[in-house]
Amino acid sequence: AQKITQTQPGMFVQEKEAVTLDCTYDTSDPSYGLFWYKQPSSGEMIFLIYQGSYDQQNATEGRYSLNFQKARKSANLVISASQLGDSAMYFCAMRANFGNEKLTFGTGTRLTIIP
Amino acid sequence: DGGITQSPKYLFRKEGQNVTLSCEQNLNHDAMYWYRQDPGQGLRLIYYSQIVNDFQKGDIAEGYSVSREKKESFPLTVTSAQKNPTAFYLCASQSLGLVTEAFFGQGTRLTVV
Repeated sequence: AQKITQTQPGMFVQEKEAVTLDCTYDTSDPSYGLFWYKQPSSGEMIFLIYQGSYDQQNATEGRYSLNFQKARKSANLVISASQLGDSAMYFCAMRANFGNEKLTFGTGTRLTIIP
Repeated sequence: DGGITQSPKYLFRKEGQNVTLSCEQNLNHDAMYWYRQDPGQGLRLIYYSQIVNDFQKGDIAEGYSVSREKKESFPLTVTSAQKNPTAFYLCASQSLGLVTEAFFGQGTRLTVV
């Protein structure tokens, strides 16, 4: 069975600082994808970044990067130079690429950026 | 424009009534998902479907039912057996196999009155 764990229910970060949001996962599938989503107070889900289990390099998208450590089963999201608009809930998710392709989410981290 | 549409945005239900939430996508995705989100909480999987006329229970399927008669549509019925249905419901879709993103609808906020 798949499981995603996000151990930080809430974080407060000073504007312009970098922040790391933790995510660990558990799966027996050999091929899988890891996703991060942002959910502002409006409720919409905004896709941020994707990492494939066989990707050799860590994924990056603008100010977002994913610190993927496969042996440790961790997929932490790093946001550089945080902005006030980064205040939101952040969810880590995973899905096996073949077979039972259930998309599983963690419980989320509420990030608050302080001016 | 391709996308995934949920309706209605807000829904009020009297106790004892069944209500159906709509989810339609024109992205030609095989997989569709329904999630429930309670205030300040994560997304919990209710049901998912990888192919027409087939679906699987997620982690909290009790009190809910779904159908997948068309590839584009995956409606969720909240039955009277669901004792605490007030929540935010999100629908998502993805291709099968190697994919890089799941697409979400805007959500339906259901309130029992």
